[in-house]
Amino acid sequence: EIVLTQSPGTLSLSPGEGATLSCRASQSVSSSYLGWYRLKPGQAPRLLIYGASSRATGIPDRFSGSGSGTDFTLTISRLEPEDFAVYYCQHYGSSPFTFGGGTKVEIK
Amino acid sequence: EVHLVDSGGGLVQPGGSLRLSCAASGFTFSNYAMGWVRQAPGKGLEWVSGINGGGGSTFSANSVKGRFTIFRDNSKNTLSLQMNSLRAEDAAIYYCAKYSNSDYYTYFDYWGQGTLVTVSS
Repeated sequence: EIVLTQSPGTLSLSPGEGATLSCRASQSVSSSYLGWYRLKPGQAPRLLIYGASSRATGIPDRFSGSGSGTDFTLTISRLEPEDFAVYYCQHYGSSPFTFGGGTKVEIK
Repeated sequence: EVHLVDSGGGLVQPGGSLRLSCAASGFTFSNYAMGWVRQAPGKGLEWVSGINGGGGSTFSANSVKGRFTIFRDNSKNTLSLQMNSLRAEDAAIYYCAKYSNSDYYTYFDYWGQGTLVTVSS
């Protein structure tokens, strides 16, 4: 089983600041099979990035994904109020299709 | 526009059963794999189960294998999760989610709002 470790656990930032979220895999993951999601309380989770670096439909260009092998990054260039949420990475190339433990981005 | 509406959650005793449903609209349901993901209180997301577009192939997490069954009715655009022998650790918000193609080796591009399952005596 591939274990995904996200860091940091919590990021305290102000609107307008940039955020860098890390997702590290216990073994190499094909870039084609790494995604990022945003989860806000009471809302449906939303796909942000798939294939490690492709933005999903409707996702603004302040979101970008990068990485390969075992290290992947989600970058939010300028935080908007709706971006304060919990972010999860997921690999989907092999079962079980595990998620990382999440990074909470909170308002400082 | 894709819509996924989860339902069927509630309070159930340990050892009991519950069936969750997901009504889908806005896309050709049978062309896409579907799945369930859960989030226990205070925890992260956990993939639970997936089913391909035709319904003939399913896959489940070891934590629910043998207790949960995923199935779909393509004539009614409905996804279901039959949960038996429920345990306290199964308590969670359960999300229905659509895969981006007919196979489940891909990402979830749309999610439902979730339905809450509580397991308690």
